[in-house]
Amino acid sequence: DVKVTQSSRYLVKRTGEKVFLECVQDMDHENMFWYRQDPGLGLRLIYFSYDVKMKEKGDIPEGYSVSREKKERFSLILESASTNQTSMYLCASSLVPRGSEAFFGQGTRLTVV
Amino acid sequence: AQTVTQSQPEMSVQEAETVTLSCTYDTSESDYYLFWYKQPPSRQMILVIRQEAYKQQNATENRFSVNFQKAAKSFSLKISDSQLGDAAMYFCAYRSVSGGGADGLTFGKGTHLIIQP
Repeated sequence: DVKVTQSSRYLVKRTGEKVFLECVQDMDHENMFWYRQDPGLGLRLIYFSYDVKMKEKGDIPEGYSVSREKKERFSLILESASTNQTSMYLCASSLVPRGSEAFFGQGTRLTVV
Repeated sequence: AQTVTQSQPEMSVQEAETVTLSCTYDTSESDYYLFWYKQPPSRQMILVIRQEAYKQQNATENRFSVNFQKAAKSFSLKISDSQLGDAAMYFCAYRSVSGGGADGLTFGKGTHLIIQP
């Protein structure tokens, strides 16, 4: 079974802190994604990576950066957390073919106070 | 840019009955993939069904089937014999074949499905 693991289910951080959200997948997938989920807005793509050290901006990259130093790990970084970044963050991975199923982690609910 | 619209924020159905969730999308591409994902209260997103745009035959997975109308850009999900375990948020998603730029799935806003016992 494919497993995508996010390091925390719940996280509370203070405004201005640097926040790291970690995601690890165990199926050698090339593609990894970070999404943000908000009620009434669905899931929105923050960043996408198709290979080690490669990244592409998604629809809402402002205030975020990412790091992919190893194939299995994709980190989302909030350089200076703000209250409007309070949200659910979902990591996903998939194989390269476009019709491939994306496998998701269980999400990190981040609260910035 | 592609957009995905789910016009039903919430649907309710009696257990054992059939329910249809609506999804429309906007694209200028001729080839793409469409997906339905389910997110139960556990928050774990699970693929329900997928459809390739160039395939005319509607996809089916057990009690789940789609009605894919390419010209109308419509991709509805039918759940037959609804079960309590079907209660979840359902997301319709689109993925381009051609790629380039932001290359993930484009999701709708979701439909919250309630199953009445």
